[in-house]
Amino acid sequence: QLQLQESGPGLVKPSETLSLTCTVSGGSISSSSHYWGWIRQPPGKGLEWIGNIYYSGSTYYNPSLKSRVTISVDTSKNQFSLKLSSVTAADTAVYYCARRGQLFDYWGQGTLVTVSS
Amino acid sequence: EIVLTQSPDFQSVTPKEKVTITCRASQSIGSSLHWYQQRPDQSPKLLIKFASQSISGVPSRFSGSGSGTDFTLTINSLEAEDAAAYYCHQSSSLPLTFGGGTKVEIK
Repeated sequence: QLQLQESGPGLVKPSETLSLTCTVSGGSISSSSHYWGWIRQPPGKGLEWIGNIYYSGSTYYNPSLKSRVTISVDTSKNQFSLKLSSVTAADTAVYYCARRGQLFDYWGQGTLVTVSS
Repeated sequence: EIVLTQSPDFQSVTPKEKVTITCRASQSIGSSLHWYQQRPDQSPKLLIKFASQSISGVPSRFSGSGSGTDFTLTINSLEAEDAAAYYCHQSSSLPLTFGGGTKVEIK
């Protein structure tokens, strides 16, 4: 059974860079049929797609965040990562990693990241 | 960007009632519309894919319909465990987008 697990600091200071890692188990991140994505959800609000990455390193970002987002992949560790720079309180959210074939079918449990000094 | 507009935002329903949630896309997306259920403090769970295709393990009381710009999620005979937020999601074009969500409360 495929599992995804987010990890990283739960508290980030304003103007700093948020960094999260998603570890995939029970399957290979090098699957030719899937992308791997990040989605976030501010407290009490809806879902926002951040971006996707393919095992080869090809990336697709939400234009609303593109200037601040970097998604990378480490196939040797079966992990992919998110970096979001220059964070503000508006970036406080639960961050999910997920697998995407034609749609998001497997999701991590999510990790709350709070931006505060 | 394709905007997905869900209605209603909130619905309070008694058990065994029928629930209908709609999702309207700002432009035609064919059948590239999927529905997710998110229970409190859980990650989203796929309920229906490609507008009307069922997902293994999802109760048969959940069904979807529609194509183009107008889509519907129907829950027949609501059960207490269905208390959740429901989101539509389009995979037709980038950027990927989600509807604003519909919260279903059990009376």
